[in-house]
Amino acid sequence: DAKTTQPNSMESNEEEPVHLPCNHSTISGTDYIHWYRQLPSQGPEYVIHGLTSNVNNRMASLAIAEDRKSSTLILHRATLRDAAVYYCILRAGGTSYGKLTFGQGTILTVHP
Amino acid sequence: DVKVTQSSRYLVKRTGEKVFLECVQDMDHENMFWYRQDPGLGLRLIYFSYDVKMKEKGDIPEGYSVSREKKERFSLILESASTNQTSMYLCASSLSQPDTQYFGPGTRLTVL
Repeated sequence: DAKTTQPNSMESNEEEPVHLPCNHSTISGTDYIHWYRQLPSQGPEYVIHGLTSNVNNRMASLAIAEDRKSSTLILHRATLRDAAVYYCILRAGGTSYGKLTFGQGTILTVHP
Repeated sequence: DVKVTQSSRYLVKRTGEKVFLECVQDMDHENMFWYRQDPGLGLRLIYFSYDVKMKEKGDIPEGYSVSREKKERFSLILESASTNQTSMYLCASSLSQPDTQYFGPGTRLTVL
């Protein structure tokens, strides 16, 4: 499985934008980039995913580099409820019945 | 909203006991997954199922078995619990690949 690299932790202030980076230099052409987050004492929660183009949804935006070797999850206005561990995951398209390989993730702290 | 429920949030068992962890999803999803989460090791896939009565080993199946008799229910079985199976167990489901996985709240199992 292709691997991802994320910073161990990041901090932000409430209502400011947050850019969470992820490097995936060995990504293959059919790998989807997924982001999940895990709030304290809860199971992981889907945030967003993409293949080549940038993606937006109600939770966040995903910016994918042109060479697809890196991506950035953007939270436009962080709130205290966004404090969580954020996981960047490569998901092989069309294979392995959706297996997700979670790394260590980035611990996001949001200050009031 | 998709709902994935797990039978217990907390469970304490003794070494050698047979343990059943139950997971139920209410969205007619085809795929179901069992993960365990440990500090420093992230989430690791134990088993998954892509259809009723079908199962596939994940990355760490040793010491576990699973059962899927009905589409909505996926059980994880520890035949003879050991202390190294103390962990957080997370169940997930997805409609099809490469679809989003929806996670339950987790069961924190302690084996004494």
